[in-house]
Amino acid sequence: KAGVTQTPRYLIKTRGQQVTLSCSPISGHRSVSWYQQTPGQGLQFLFEYFSETQRNKGNFPGRFSGRQFSNSRSEMNVSTLELGDSALYLCASSLAGTLSGNTIYFGEGSWLTVV
Amino acid sequence: AQSVAQPEDQVNVAEGNPLTVKCTYSVSGNPYLFWYVQYPNRGLQFLLKYITGDNLVKGSYGFEAEFNKSQTSFHLKKPSALVSDSALYFCAVIRTDKLIFGTGTRLQVFP
Repeated sequence: KAGVTQTPRYLIKTRGQQVTLSCSPISGHRSVSWYQQTPGQGLQFLFEYFSETQRNKGNFPGRFSGRQFSNSRSEMNVSTLELGDSALYLCASSLAGTLSGNTIYFGEGSWLTVV
Repeated sequence: AQSVAQPEDQVNVAEGNPLTVKCTYSVSGNPYLFWYVQYPNRGLQFLLKYITGDNLVKGSYGFEAEFNKSQTSFHLKKPSALVSDSALYFCAVIRTDKLIFGTGTRLQVFP
């Protein structure tokens, strides 16, 4: 079956703009989480959604937000972009999140460059 | 507090030799531990996980990992390395309902 699909794969934005990234989880998976990967900070958790509700949130400013739709697809939005937001944004899906050690599968990521 | 540590930034090994990528954890209770691999300009691929049970976990592409509770370690191993195994490897643990990743170890397999 299809894996985790993220769009767009690459994008360039200007400081101050906003961006929306999309993620389609594996069919049947209800948990979607987002991670940011940068050379300096490594992989950091942004937030997790389950059944359209944010269930967990990392230590990021309010400019980072997300949502999940009834079909489990998720979007994340970053407003007022800063140069430091340049990163690989990874979406991950699982049946029910971290409960019982569910396997968490990642997409190919969206490369965001802020200029 | 650091939950998972990968002490080596890079591991070099000759093709055909066994490889080990080290990981130690520092969460209380029974940890849920994962290994992922990342190829250049790609996302993370799941290799294997330890939840409970047998301390030796077998995963994808011939990789395995050994859970050692007394040493709080979860080292990734492969009996015979391939050049195509060259990539960035991440160990992760579930803590406060999210994956906490190590800093990654770059594996370089030389022909």
